[in-house]
Amino acid sequence: DIQMTQSPTSLAASVGESVTITCLASEDIYGSLVWYQQKPGKSPQLLIYGATILEDGIPSRFSGSGSDTQYSLKINSLQPEDFASYYCQNGLSTPRTFGGGTKLELK
Amino acid sequence: EVQLVESGGGLVQPGRSLKLSCAASGFTFSNYYMAWVRQAPTKGLEWVASITNSGGSTYYRDSVKGRFTISRDNAKSTLYLQMDSLRSEDTATYYCTRDQLGAAIYPYWYFDFWGPGTMVTVSS
Repeated sequence: DIQMTQSPTSLAASVGESVTITCLASEDIYGSLVWYQQKPGKSPQLLIYGATILEDGIPSRFSGSGSDTQYSLKINSLQPEDFASYYCQNGLSTPRTFGGGTKLELK
Repeated sequence: EVQLVESGGGLVQPGRSLKLSCAASGFTFSNYYMAWVRQAPTKGLEWVASITNSGGSTYYRDSVKGRFTISRDNAKSTLYLQMDSLRSEDTATYYCTRDQLGAAIYPYWYFDFWGPGTMVTVSS
């Protein structure tokens, strides 16, 4: 199974700041990296797929990058609604594995 | 508008069974792979099972193989998860998801729509 390691596990930031979350795959996943956002008590929402492709309706302050085994999610100019948990996911192979999550909190 | 609505969750004793349903609308159900993803309380996301659009092939995580069965009724636009021999570690919110195919160097899969989830608690 491909293991997905996310860092940091938690992060405190202020509105207007920029943050970066990273995801490391245990082997090359050839750009098949997906990012989700989950707000408390809600189901996850797709943000980015194919490592860099923004899902329709997602603000452009979200961006994804990376290749091979290393990937990042960057959020520019944090807005109040961005404070949530974020998960990466391996889309290449079964089992579909998720990172452990990053909780983004308001400083 | 795509909608996925799960039902069938509840409190069940260890070793017993439960069947989850997911009613889909707003898209041509028979054209899409579907999946179940779960999340234990305060924990992360865990893929459980997937099924092809025709229902001809199914895939499971190792910990549920032989205990869970994913199925679908395309005429009713409904996805199911039959859960047998339930264990305390199966306690989680179960999400119905639509499985979307993307293409990069290789084909890949991602969950583009999620239902609100249904809670399953396995406890005596």
